[in-house]
Amino acid sequence: QSVLTQPPSASATPGQRVTISCSGSSSNIGSNTVNWYQQFPGMAPKLLIHTDYQRPSGVPDRFSGSKSDTSASLAISGLQSEDEADYYCATWDDTLSGPVFGGGTKLTVL
Amino acid sequence: QVRLQQWGAGLLKPSETLSLTCAVSGGFFTGYYWTWVRQSPGKGLEWIGAIYHDGNTKYNPSLKSRVTLSIDTYKNQFSLKLTSVAAADTAVYYCGRGRIPDWWGQGTRVTVSS
Repeated sequence: QSVLTQPPSASATPGQRVTISCSGSSSNIGSNTVNWYQQFPGMAPKLLIHTDYQRPSGVPDRFSGSKSDTSASLAISGLQSEDEADYYCATWDDTLSGPVFGGGTKLTVL
Repeated sequence: QVRLQQWGAGLLKPSETLSLTCAVSGGFFTGYYWTWVRQSPGKGLEWIGAIYHDGNTKYNPSLKSRVTLSIDTYKNQFSLKLTSVAAADTAVYYCGRGRIPDWWGQGTRVTVSS
C-alpha cells in the first residue's frame, strides 16, 4: 500500500536496457522532484538519482532518471550482474508534508 | 564523506519504548533536516519524522502520538523515541540526512515480541 506505485519486479539480460516506472499523483511527483535508491539485501538504501535526473558523484552514467507529469522512470543501460538489487523511488508529498516511497522493484539480471 | 552511525536496542516487548540514536560525522550538521525512516516487509519504506538542527520537528501523522525526536547539536547526534511499541512496529529503522535522505545510517533491526 505504498503511496508511489512501482512494478514489483523487472528482469533483463546483461547488456540490455531496463526501465523501472514510478507512478504518483499531483500532490507528490506532480509537484516535487524524485529520488531513486538502490538497495542490496541487508544494506541501507543508496542514493542513485536525485532531483529527477541528477546523479551523485560516483554513480555510473548507465543510470538515468526522468519525470513527466505524475510519473517518473529509472533507466539502467548496459545492464550488469551487479545491478541486481531492489530499486525505490521517493518524493515529497504535499498532503503528508513528508516523503513518500514506492514499494520497490526487484531487478533480476538473467 | 558523510557518515551516519546509529545504535539502540533491537529487541523489545510490547508496550516498551523504542530508543535509537544516530551520530553524524564527515559533514555539516546544521542546515539540514535529520530524518527517521523504517522498512518492514508489510509496509515498505515509511517516513517516521524529521528534525531540523534548530529543533523544529515534523512527524508522520500516523505515528505522531507516539514519536518524539530530539537533537544534540554539540554532539552532532539526533534521536528517536517511539512509545508503546507493538508487533506492527517490527522493522529496520534508518536515520538519514535531509527531508528525503541522501545519506543513510546502516539500519537497526528492531523486533517487538513478547
